Amino acid sequence: DTAVSQTPKYLVTQMGNDKSIKCEQNLGHDTMYWYKQDSKKFLKIMFSYNNKELIINETVPNRFSPKSPDKAHLNLHINSLELGDSAVYFCASSQWDRTNYGYTFGSGTRLTVV
Amino acid sequence: SQQGEEDPQALSIQEGENATMNCSYKTSINNLQWYRQNSGRGLVHLILIRSNEREKHSGRLRVTLDTSKKSSSLLITASRAADTASYFCATDANGNKLVFGAGTILRVKS
Repeated sequence: DTAVSQTPKYLVTQMGNDKSIKCEQNLGHDTMYWYKQDSKKFLKIMFSYNNKELIINETVPNRFSPKSPDKAHLNLHINSLELGDSAVYFCASSQWDRTNYGYTFGSGTRLTVV
Repeated sequence: SQQGEEDPQALSIQEGENATMNCSYKTSINNLQWYRQNSGRGLVHLILIRSNEREKHSGRLRVTLDTSKKSSSLLITASRAADTASYFCATDANGNKLVFGAGTILRVKS
């Protein structure tokens, strides 16, 4: 039933570890995104994929590598985690034609790096 | 830098009152959207207004857009305790992405 689902919901890990967050949407949308929300609630886009092709890479450190095996999935792999990576990461999807439609967001993954 | 700036940062009202939040942005846009985020949850799309529209309604929500002033407002009428949340404006400026404002925290007291 869930339109955009992310796993895990919570992730606590030590500095230097590598971790992945998975995202899947069942809306038939062709564009998917990763957003980062910091402790002050600022939301900033990280990546955007359209039909498995990378469209936006918003000056994110290359420790972050998105992967889109198909247009319904967009995963985020993070290498060598740092304290500053602690945040809530949101996956979202939309139709490519965004004139009339908003984004659908997942419920977020709270990443805590200790 | 953030495209949108929202005002006020926080708003506390009594149930039944109206709540108005404002958003300003910097560049030309295709559309402007408002989202709600309940504590610890994801964002929920509320309403989208296109750049050629001036006002839009959805239930108890009324959104206005003034492209000459690069500003928008969200009015929630007859507020309820369940409206307590953070509200974000976001602009779509043909850059294949939404750029979010800093958000307004709304608290509705019952």
